[in-house]
Amino acid sequence: QSALTQPASVSGSPGQSITISCTGTSSDVGGYEYVAWYQQHPGKAPKLMIYDVSNRPSGVSNRFSGSKSGNTASLIISGLQAEDEGDYYCVSYTSSSTWVFGGGTKLTVL
Amino acid sequence: QVQLVQSGAEVKKPGASVKVSCKASGYTFAASAMHWVRQAPGQGLEWMGWINGGNDNTKYSQKFQGRVTITRDTSASTDYMELSSLKSEDTAVYYCLHLEHDGSGYIDYWGQGTLVTVSS
Repeated sequence: QSALTQPASVSGSPGQSITISCTGTSSDVGGYEYVAWYQQHPGKAPKLMIYDVSNRPSGVSNRFSGSKSGNTASLIISGLQAEDEGDYYCVSYTSSSTWVFGGGTKLTVL
Repeated sequence: QVQLVQSGAEVKKPGASVKVSCKASGYTFAASAMHWVRQAPGQGLEWMGWINGGNDNTKYSQKFQGRVTITRDTSASTDYMELSSLKSEDTAVYYCLHLEHDGSGYIDYWGQGTLVTVSS
């Protein structure tokens, strides 16, 4: 099972919107509505931001949203804030009843 | 409240095995799944495997198949992840992860992480 493909880095200015893509195959991202997104700050454990493609856990800002089209899922962050800077990982359920992470994307707020 | 407390840091020699524990509290442990995720220094997250609640079935990433074993001691509310034939590339922080559905959505709970260093 290969890792899902994410851009290594994205950047945006405060107030802007950015999108992080996560590309897999029909055996993972494209085959199930089980894609999640995690945010990680340096030295900290990851934090769940989106689950089941587009659902937000309680307490997560509505500036974070998720979607999926075919084999590619996307995390959209609107109204970018300095505190959004960090690493973002997608993860998907697979046809082998396992899970697979993306390689991670470093978000820089300019 | 949900808590996951992992065992302490380990230093191992290449070829050895390591067993990391994750003691859970605050939820119905026996009926719940647990994931294991690792992160090498400066690298991304890597899913290793999981154990399902109820039947204790396990599934492992193909990458670790044959080297990783996840077990559960329900009486102690503790899960274990054992990784064998250690290599220097296995140096990483190992996390246990529980996803709880509270009726309206999921919440993630992570152990504090266990640093495993593989060095001769």
